Amino acid sequence: AQTVTQSQPEMSVQEAETVTLSCTYDTSESDYYLFWYKQPPSRQMILVIRQEAYKQQNATENRFSVNFQKAAKSFSLKISDSQLGDAAMYFCAYRNTGNQFYFGTGTSLTVIP
Amino acid sequence: DAGITQSPRHKVTETGTPVTLRCHQTENHRYMYWYRQDPGHGLRLIHYSYGVKDTDKGEVSDGYSVSRSKTEDFLLTLESATSSQTSVYFCAITGRGGIDEQFFGPGTRLTVL
Repeated sequence: AQTVTQSQPEMSVQEAETVTLSCTYDTSESDYYLFWYKQPPSRQMILVIRQEAYKQQNATENRFSVNFQKAAKSFSLKISDSQLGDAAMYFCAYRNTGNQFYFGTGTSLTVIP
Repeated sequence: DAGITQSPRHKVTETGTPVTLRCHQTENHRYMYWYRQDPGHGLRLIHYSYGVKDTDKGEVSDGYSVSRSKTEDFLLTLESATSSQTSVYFCAITGRGGIDEQFFGPGTRLTVL
């Protein structure tokens, strides 16, 4: 089974600053998909960004971007111009070709006004 | 928002009683999943389904069973609830596979006394 590791249980960032959340994964597959989800206090899981492993170009969605390093099995999330609404738990997820998803343990992000 | 609902949203039960959680989708998606979320563990896969009557175990399937007799419904049953099954349970769906994201239900908070 694949494993996903988020080594930062908690992070904080000043409003308008940039923060990077780390994620590493372990797999022997060459074809897979990676996701970052956000879970605010409402508990609803919201997709932030996604990346196909065969694409070298890093995905970007507005203020959110990833640094995908396939050889290092690393998939970090960068949040630019942090806003108060970005405060949430963030989960990194791996999807294999069998359509199983594996999640990390999450990083709790605090945004300081 | 994806049409996915969970019932009940909250439940308190006693050790040894059977419990069934229901997930209902209106998206006609093929894949359905049950996760549990616990502090420090992220989301862990209990069971998943890749079609009507087609299900498979996840990493924490002991003590749980599932059934899927219709595309739109995926039931999770705790045959004899234990206190270790106190958790928040999420249902998720996804369509074709690959880069398609998972859509999550609102979650069910289950407390086993």
